[in-house]
Amino acid sequence: GQQLNQSPQSMFIQEGEDVSMNCTSSSIFNTWLWYKQDPGEGPVLLIALYKAGELTSNGRLTAQFGITRKDSFLNISASIPSDVGIYFCAGLLSGNTPLVFGKGTRLSVIA
Amino acid sequence: SQTIHQWPATLVQPVGSPLSLECTVEGTSNPNLYWYRQAAGRGLQLLFYSVGIGQISSEVPQNLSASRPQDRQFILSSKKLLLSDSGFYLCAWSVTGGNTIYFGEGSWLTVV
Repeated sequence: GQQLNQSPQSMFIQEGEDVSMNCTSSSIFNTWLWYKQDPGEGPVLLIALYKAGELTSNGRLTAQFGITRKDSFLNISASIPSDVGIYFCAGLLSGNTPLVFGKGTRLSVIA
Repeated sequence: SQTIHQWPATLVQPVGSPLSLECTVEGTSNPNLYWYRQAAGRGLQLLFYSVGIGQISSEVPQNLSASRPQDRQFILSSKKLLLSDSGFYLCAWSVTGGNTIYFGEGSWLTVV
């Protein structure tokens, strides 16, 4: 089946630093989604990308849908302690096929 | 607006006991519904999804089953739990043909 390679697996950064994580796939997707999961809670949608080349921001977060439709990245600028959590990318081929998730990037922010 | 709710939030069950986790969605009709499992500190594994009442697709063979008795209700069950069934179970929904899914709060299951 389809698989997403998400990297890095974990990150330890200083408060105020910028963060970058990405996902790559061997096959194309028509939608890329980025979620954040806080401990003990369900993932919350951060950014949705629906078009190849699309660059979308949500506050300090910026995500891009790769031109080849096989990759996406998420950047967080000026990290703060509440950015701690697990970030998941997810790709979708069509509306009635299940999302394919990456394995997550665990972000730790050191104050 | 649409909401999703699942329960119970936490559950401790002995090995061999049955399981029933419930999920309901409000504010939409004919949603696609999903059950995911997340082992501690790991990624999300799709267990079941449903595009309509009585229609269940299983992604992973196991001792769990899912049912959709009503349009906006999705139930995850087991007749006999195994230790390996422990984990964080997440229900999710999307609009029919939609390209974004939304998760419930999650249910922690510990099998002892």
